[in-house]
Amino acid sequence: GAGVSQSPRYKVAKRGQDVALRCDPISGHVSLFWYQQALGQGPEFLTYFQNEAQLDKSGLPSDRFFAERPEGSVSTLKIQRTQQEDSAVYLCASSPIGGNTGELFFGEGSRLTVL
Amino acid sequence: EDQVTQSPEALRLQEGESSSLNCSYTVSGLRGLFWYRQDPGKGPEFLFTLYSAGEEKEKERLKATLTKKESFLHITAPKPEDSATYLCAVQVYQAGTALIFGKGTTLSVSS
Repeated sequence: GAGVSQSPRYKVAKRGQDVALRCDPISGHVSLFWYQQALGQGPEFLTYFQNEAQLDKSGLPSDRFFAERPEGSVSTLKIQRTQQEDSAVYLCASSPIGGNTGELFFGEGSRLTVL
Repeated sequence: EDQVTQSPEALRLQEGESSSLNCSYTVSGLRGLFWYRQDPGKGPEFLFTLYSAGEEKEKERLKATLTKKESFLHITAPKPEDSATYLCAVQVYQAGTALIFGKGTTLSVSS
């Protein structure tokens, strides 16, 4: 596709359920990022992949959060045993450049609501 | 601690009324400063990158400038379609690839 595609766009989960959020980056983009954006806040970094390698996961808030990009294209962010504080928009972004770049192409996000 | 503060939180302008948005930062070592635009329900859209004090970038009615402590996004003769939240982000050497975002300034331009 022309841009970064995320699914589902909206997800409602009961507290304690596991969720999986998918990101299809722009074809050929080397770098892939996940950010979390709470209501009224700026995005916060979660994790970074260069191809299939997860090079930085320092922003993952707990061991309930796990991300993978096994073939260097599609990525999945998994949240286990969801809590109410996990409610946020999860943004995926990609870049054709590996390494340190701030010029990112963002998807529209997946809005997670935990009841 | 690396911090980014944007002001004002919200700004209402009449069409054609020029103004500026501020992004002040306190960081250990600035690699780059970035401006993004975010429309409701959408992801951020990249606007500008600034690397060093004194640098300026322009795009249509927008101009971004950078000093050692802050960046300004100047909006000249805004139109209603410029209404959005403008996000400032920094990248610092010690934080690797992560962008540190401010909370944003929500701009509303009325005709």
